[in-house]
Amino acid sequence: EVVLTQSPDTLSLSPGEKATLSCRASQSIINSHLVWYQQKPGQAPRLLIYGASSRAIGIPDRFSGSGSGTDFTLTISRVETEDFAVYYCQHYDGSPLTFGGGTKVEIK
Amino acid sequence: QVQLQQSGPGLVKPSETLSLTCTVSGGSVSSYYWNWIRQPPGKGLEWIGFVYYSGGTLYNPSLKSRVTMSVDTSKNQFSLNLNSVTATDTAMYYCAKWDGTVNAFDIWGRGTMVTVSS
Repeated sequence: EVVLTQSPDTLSLSPGEKATLSCRASQSIINSHLVWYQQKPGQAPRLLIYGASSRAIGIPDRFSGSGSGTDFTLTISRVETEDFAVYYCQHYDGSPLTFGGGTKVEIK
Repeated sequence: QVQLQQSGPGLVKPSETLSLTCTVSGGSVSSYYWNWIRQPPGKGLEWIGFVYYSGGTLYNPSLKSRVTMSVDTSKNQFSLNLNSVTATDTAMYYCAKWDGTVNAFDIWGRGTMVTVSS
C-alpha cells in the first residue's frame, strides 16, 4: 500500500501570500498518478489537479501542481479568502487507492 | 452534468449492516467506476472500493471482508453494504464517480453522516 504523507499539517497564511503544500509517497508513483482535492467545511472534496499537474475544469490558474516519483507539490500562487480549506493528495497507482492526511490552509 | 444523490439511514446499531444508495442523474450508471469513500469526524479520507456497471468490484483490503457493492442499472443507482459495523465505522460516507479520462474522482455526492450507536 502506498502511504502518502502531507506536510505541513497546517499552513497559516495571509491573503495574497503563496502556499506550498507537499505530498510525499512511500514508493515511487508511476506516470504521475497523483491527484489533489480541496475540501471546505461541510462539503465534499472538489477535484483540483489530476495527473500531478493538470488543472481540472473551472479551477483558477493560481493553483498549480508539480512533481514526480515520490515528491509532489501543490502551489497556490496568491491565496484568496475562498482558498482557505483542507487539501488532500491521492494516488491511483494500484489498489488500494489512498489519500494523504491533509493540509489545512488557514487564515493567519 | 452528472449529479449524485445519496440516501440511507444516518443511524445504525452495532453489529448490524450499513446500507447506502447513490442515485445517478444527468448520466448513466452504465459507464464509469462508481466509488464509496468515507471520512470519520475530523479525520482524513478512506477509499472503500468501487463497482463497475457490469457488476465488477474492487474493495479496499482493509474492509474487503465486510463490504458488498452493487449496481442497479434499471434504477440508475449503485449501493454500499457494510456489515458487522462498530463505532469505528462512524463516518461521513461519500459516493463518487471515477472518471477515466482525468483519472480522478470528479463528481461527489453530498455525503451521508452515518453514526453507529445503540
